[in-house]
Amino acid sequence: AQSVTQLDSQVPVFEEAPVELRCNYSSSVSVYLFWYVQYPNQGLQLLLKYLSGSTLVKGINGFEAEFNKSQTSFHLRKPSVHISDTAEYFCAVSDIDSSASKIIFGSGTRLSIRP
Amino acid sequence: NAGVMQNPRHLVRRRGQEARLRCSPMKGHSHVYWYRQLPEEGLKFMVYLQKENIIDESGMPKERFSAEFPKEGPSILRIQQVVRGDSAAYFCASPAGPGANVLTFGAGSRLTVL
Repeated sequence: AQSVTQLDSQVPVFEEAPVELRCNYSSSVSVYLFWYVQYPNQGLQLLLKYLSGSTLVKGINGFEAEFNKSQTSFHLRKPSVHISDTAEYFCAVSDIDSSASKIIFGSGTRLSIRP
Repeated sequence: NAGVMQNPRHLVRRRGQEARLRCSPMKGHSHVYWYRQLPEEGLKFMVYLQKENIIDESGMPKERFSAEFPKEGPSILRIQQVVRGDSAAYFCASPAGPGANVLTFGAGSRLTVL
């Protein structure tokens, strides 16, 4: 069975500072990895995804993530955050093998930006 | 392309009543996933449906919850005899494209049980 762990439930940072949101996963098979963002009272939007190829994935809004197979991690980073990045961020994993596979989400990390 | 449409956006029910949540996937798509987000928690998978078929219901509570996706019309998540613990946001999603398991989510239906 797959699982996703987001160790930090909340991450406060100052505006224009860098940020890293951590994500570790476990799976016995090859996986796809995702980061989704949820703004208040909205649904989830895809930030970026890792399917194959380059382990450094660039997404929208200046975010990027790096797939590290040996450490089973997929940490999300942004070099300089903005107030508008205040949201909850979810890491997710799905089995590469089945088109009918469900996506498993982590418990989320709430990013709060201080001016 | 209107995206994934969910209604109602907000629903208030008293304990013991029934809640029906509707989801229309993106135009031309025939698969939907339902997820539940309890307060201060992440999304939990509930059920995956194709039109007229339940593909995976491993996340559905054993009692009071059911889901369907008829040949015509939206997918419906039905909760009978609601309890306060059912208060949550319920999200529907449909695959954004073939193969890669990328989901497009609706804005969610927020159920409050009084």
